[in-house]
Amino acid sequence: GAVVSQHPSWVICKSGTSVKIECRSLDFQATTMFWYRQFPKQSLMLMATSNEGSKATYEQGVEKDKFLINHASLTLSTLTVTSAHPEDSSFYICSASWLSSGRTDTQYFGPGTRLTVL
Amino acid sequence: RKEVEQDPGPFNVPEGATVAFNCTYSNSASQSFFWYRQDCRKEPKLLMSVYSSGNEDGRFTAQLNRASQYISLLIRDSKLSDSATYLCVVNPYTDKLIFGTGTRLQVFP
Repeated sequence: GAVVSQHPSWVICKSGTSVKIECRSLDFQATTMFWYRQFPKQSLMLMATSNEGSKATYEQGVEKDKFLINHASLTLSTLTVTSAHPEDSSFYICSASWLSSGRTDTQYFGPGTRLTVL
Repeated sequence: RKEVEQDPGPFNVPEGATVAFNCTYSNSASQSFFWYRQDCRKEPKLLMSVYSSGNEDGRFTAQLNRASQYISLLIRDSKLSDSATYLCVVNPYTDKLIFGTGTRLQVFP
């Protein structure tokens, strides 16, 4: 159980284009989804937290107008990188969790999306 | 000071060896702690949760020392398949997880 999928698994795009990444919880309803970014040899950095039906909460330094997050249902969240530039090239990973006994600290990770912007 | 600190390694150990990783965290109010494993170019996978004084799962033992604010991971009888990066992860006080930069383990024959 607790499977999270991401699509696409990798994408190459030209500078200035927008890229949409989907994150789905396949066998559970995720009350919260998280988006992370990981640069080579660095740790996962949380970009934003989204709860179904409400606006995402972005971490300091993450541009909300550049990284658009939509969490329209309990099983789907999308991250759109708008006007992508080479410095946005990274490994984007989503995770999902559900509220259980007041805790949401168990997160299940998707397989990640490797974005390369040329 | 980083919220979660780990020795990046790499730790190069022979098969069958016992290896231990330490991790320190800065927020004394942190409630829960985890060890994740991440293989190259893959997503992190939960290895163990550490909620109280520690727990054991087969060859893996995690310990928590709240007074000193560190957690450890002990791997006994290392296997080649244990080669990976081990991430120390802390839940400070909300539903966020704070990741360490990871400790790389390489087990050789």
